[in-house]
Amino acid sequence: DARVTQTPRHKVTEMGQEVTMRCQPILGHNTVFWYRQTMMQGLELLAYFRNRAPLDDSGMPKDRFSAEMPDATLATLKIQPSEPRDSAVYFCASGLVGGTGNTIYFGEGSWLTVV
Amino acid sequence: LAKTTQPISMDSYEGQEVNITCSHNNIATNDYITWYQQFPSQGPRFIIQGYKTKVTNEVASLFIPADRKSSTLSLPRVSLSDTAVYYCLVGDGGAAGNKLTFGGGTRVLVKP
Repeated sequence: DARVTQTPRHKVTEMGQEVTMRCQPILGHNTVFWYRQTMMQGLELLAYFRNRAPLDDSGMPKDRFSAEMPDATLATLKIQPSEPRDSAVYFCASGLVGGTGNTIYFGEGSWLTVV
Repeated sequence: LAKTTQPISMDSYEGQEVNITCSHNNIATNDYITWYQQFPSQGPRFIIQGYKTKVTNEVASLFIPADRKSSTLSLPRVSLSDTAVYYCLVGDGGAAGNKLTFGGGTRVLVKP
């Protein structure tokens, strides 16, 4: 059963530390999304890629966040330096977007706590 | 980008039908309407998608009027396990890029 895989599932880190979250999209999907979810802001789109090229990262704080797709099987979201306000669940999603519709599949999320 | 508006929350009882209406007045010609369900501590999960008229699958039905400015997700005979947040999304999925933005969603509570 194909699914999006995210690591780590849970991370507690100290303020100022670098955090890297990884995502393995479903094989064959051409679009990868990074979302952040908090109680206050809901689900926010941070960045997304199509065929590994970044299409939009306007939702991401540029000074500390970066997103990349080194290859078709790996997407990364990096926070450096991390701050307590970055505490959230970070979801990766992938889909075969570009044709008929918007079906995307989410991973189980990376639960980040910055203390 | 088409913006969506949904009720913040709805309560229901087991066995009842739940209907959630989403407004998307600025929907574009190429846009599809997609609904997702999210349980606590999980990522959103695709439920159903449609372009016009009615779509039905094993989980839900989606009703879309002719003007496509709104859509209604119908959950028949809900159970306690249908308690979740339901999101309506609108986007074209086309080559121009698809910024799939989630709104606030509708929190559905199913009571015994």
